[in-house]
Amino acid sequence: EDKVVQSPLSLVVHEGDTVTLNCSYEVTNFRSLLWYKQEKKAPTFLFMLTSSGIEKKSGRLSSILDKKELSSILNITATQTGDSAIYLCAVDRGSQGNLIFGKGTKLSVKP
Amino acid sequence: KAGVTQTPRYLIKTRGQQVTLSCSPISGHRSVSWYQQTPGQGLQFLFEYFSETQRNKGNFPGRFSGRQFSNSRSEMNVSTLELGDSALYLCASSLTGTAAYEQYFGPGTRLTVT
Repeated sequence: EDKVVQSPLSLVVHEGDTVTLNCSYEVTNFRSLLWYKQEKKAPTFLFMLTSSGIEKKSGRLSSILDKKELSSILNITATQTGDSAIYLCAVDRGSQGNLIFGKGTKLSVKP
Repeated sequence: KAGVTQTPRYLIKTRGQQVTLSCSPISGHRSVSWYQQTPGQGLQFLFEYFSETQRNKGNFPGRFSGRQFSNSRSEMNVSTLELGDSALYLCASSLTGTAAYEQYFGPGTRLTVT
């Protein structure tokens, strides 16, 4: 059965810390891996990683895909309270946009 | 451009009742996907509609159904509600549904079953 596993499930850090969120997957048909940020309700898209593009960076956020280990990490440097959210990892299995999600990592950044 | 809208935003129902949730996609988007989010199971795919046809379906019982209208608006229905159906129901729209990263999520409908 296809699955996506995220760790840790929750994390509490202080402003300025650097955090690493983990995502591993076992799927029969991998097309891409996506990261989302969910602050209140609607998840918002952060990154997409494919076999042809294994690292993405946007400001303080960066993500790497390890094709060999079937995993990805999301790094956030110099965290801010506004980074507090649930971070979701999802794998696109290629069938009309059907995504399989991990359970998410709840990040809390304390002032 | 207006985003994805979902109505109602909050809903309280009793076990055994049925419920209908609505999703209006971004103008021009023809694909609508539905997801259920619970603390225990996370975000799970329910089904996807494109041009009024269900193209893909997740692993949910037949009590969960949906449809899409000619204007791309979509509804999902849950019959014979169970306590475990309490969840945040999210819909997402995209132009064609072929690229997952192009999905835009709505704010969700919070359903509570008592």
